[in-house]
Amino acid sequence: GAVVSQHPSWVICKSGTSVKIECRSLDFQATTMFWYRQFPKQSLMLMATSNEGSKATYEQGVEKDKFLINHASLTLSTLTVTSAHPEDSSFYICSARDPRETVANSPLHFGNGTRLTVT
Amino acid sequence: AQSVTQLDSHVSVSEGTPVLLRCNYSSSYSPSLFWYVQHPNKGLQLLLKYTSAATLVKGINGFEAEFKKSETSFHLTKPSAHMSDAAEYFCVVSDQAKGGKLIFGQGTELSVKP
Repeated sequence: GAVVSQHPSWVICKSGTSVKIECRSLDFQATTMFWYRQFPKQSLMLMATSNEGSKATYEQGVEKDKFLINHASLTLSTLTVTSAHPEDSSFYICSARDPRETVANSPLHFGNGTRLTVT
Repeated sequence: AQSVTQLDSHVSVSEGTPVLLRCNYSSSYSPSLFWYVQHPNKGLQLLLKYTSAATLVKGINGFEAEFKKSETSFHLTKPSAHMSDAAEYFCVVSDQAKGGKLIFGQGTELSVKP
């Protein structure tokens, strides 16, 4: 089945530094990937939709300059948290839809998430 | 607009007893519905999906869900809980008007007591 790999699984960084998270589709090509943020004991919040070869589409309230998204190839999307602060500490999860499945009924395949801690 | 409501934020069962996690949906279209499971510090794993075929959907790990249009429900069940079932469960609807964007329920935490 479709596999999405996310790296790193956890990262600790100092306030003011930037952190890059990678999301790869391993056995399919994904023109679109999705980035979610999840706070403790809460549901997933869609941050942005990453589009291969074009600009990402951000959800309302998500800072584009804070969360930089690059989708340079059909199998790789990256999320960079710039000038990270403690309030950016969270669980970030990427996902993608296998294009071999129709959009209407196809599930998203999720990476294992990245636990970001900003000190 | 499409939405899902998970009626219980937390469910606790004893090992070997049945599991029922409740989900109601609101949709203007014939919905595509999913149940995902998330173990601590992990991504989401698809348990099962409903896509207008059979109303009783069987998933992995012994879980199943029944689509009931008259009740706008898609409850998740399992006959006998196992300790490894303890996790967070999300009911999800696909918003076909927005290109298949997923709408997540609030989640239900399942605890399994020995």
